[in-house]
Amino acid sequence: AQSVAQPEDQVNVAEGNPLTVKCTYSVSGNPYLFWYVQYPNRGLQFLLKYITGDNLVKGSYGFEAEFNKSQTSFHLKKPSALVSDSALYFCAVRDPGGSYIPTFGRGTSLIVHP
Amino acid sequence: EPEVTQTPSHQVTQMGQEVILRCVPISNHLYFYWYRQILGQKVEFLVSFYNNEISEKSEIFDDQFSVERPDGSNFTLKIRSTKLEDSAMYFCASSGQTLSYNEQFFGPGTRLTVL
Repeated sequence: AQSVAQPEDQVNVAEGNPLTVKCTYSVSGNPYLFWYVQYPNRGLQFLLKYITGDNLVKGSYGFEAEFNKSQTSFHLKKPSALVSDSALYFCAVRDPGGSYIPTFGRGTSLIVHP
Repeated sequence: EPEVTQTPSHQVTQMGQEVILRCVPISNHLYFYWYRQILGQKVEFLVSFYNNEISEKSEIFDDQFSVERPDGSNFTLKIRSTKLEDSAMYFCASSGQTLSYNEQFFGPGTRLTVL
């Protein structure tokens, strides 16, 4: 079975500071990992994914995420937060050997203060 | 940039009534999905659809639910007899040909309120 956890309901950060949104996963094999962002009244938008290769993945809007197999984590990061980054962020995992349907986390609300 | 669209944005209905939620996936995509998100909870998978048939469904997707692709563009979710607990945000998504690691493209959602 595949599962994903986002341990923080909300993350607060000041504009210009680095941000981290945490995600841990559980799959039986090597995972496919995704981050999506949801702005108010919008659908989920794809940010980045890890399939294989370099553990550091770069995505849209300056975001990046690092796949850490030993810690089963895929934390989302950005070096310098913008107020416009304030949104709901979802981590998702898919087990290539299992269902092709991804499992989503509960979401983490990122609030960037001016 | 192509996008997934959904109508209506908000649907209010009485318990026991039928509702149909509509989606127009991205035109060259082949895989279609419905998810729901109850307020404050995680995004839950309902059903996936490929080649004009359901390819996978969750235990949430019981006999009250059905999906259809009535023409070449629309993808609908029908709830036959709504219950209070069906109140949620419903998201449609689509993805391209190689589904194993392709990201999904989501619509803006339909907020369903069952009174």
